[in-house]
Amino acid sequence: AQSVTQLDSQVPVFEEAPVELRCNYSSSVSVYLFWYVQYPNQGLQLLLKYLSGSTLVESINGFEAEFNKSQTSFHLRKPSVHISDTAEYFCAVLNTGGFKTIFGAGTRLFVKA
Amino acid sequence: DSGVTQTPKHLITATGQRVTLRCSPRSGDLSVYWYQQSLDQGLQFLIQYYNGEERAKGNILERFSAQQFPDLHSELNLSSLELGDSALYFCASSVDAGLPYEQYFGPGTRLTVT
Repeated sequence: AQSVTQLDSQVPVFEEAPVELRCNYSSSVSVYLFWYVQYPNQGLQLLLKYLSGSTLVESINGFEAEFNKSQTSFHLRKPSVHISDTAEYFCAVLNTGGFKTIFGAGTRLFVKA
Repeated sequence: DSGVTQTPKHLITATGQRVTLRCSPRSGDLSVYWYQQSLDQGLQFLIQYYNGEERAKGNILERFSAQQFPDLHSELNLSSLELGDSALYFCASSVDAGLPYEQYFGPGTRLTVT
């Protein structure tokens, strides 16, 4: 069975500083990996995904994540955060050929002015 | 706007009662998922339906049941409600016409059990 561990429950950071949200997964088979974002009082939205090919994937708003198979990680990074990036971020894993996406516990990113 | 609608937005009810949450997926999506989000348990997958049939089951209690209708909308029924059932319940949908697929989440129904 697969599992997802988000190592930090909360990450406070100042505006324009870089940030990394960590995600490790466990699975005995190949996986697809996702990052979802949940803004206050809203549902989750897909931020970016790794399916195959290049291990570095990017979102339209400056986030990127790198799939590291040897370390079973999919950390999310942004070189310079904005106040509007304040949200909860969920890492998720889906086994290739499977149906059940497993979500991590979430990391609350709080960007301070 | 994800295109997934959920009703009602808020629901307040008493312990022991039964409620029904409704979800309409995005046009063309065949799969519907239900999730429960609470402060202590995080985001928990409950159940998935694909084109009217149950496809995957997660941490869904026996007091909870769901179904997907021919028009693809779905309902989650929660019965014998307990205080601990208070949570945000999300519905998501996906095309599911060939993996991998991303899920589109609705705005959620906030259930408060008093």
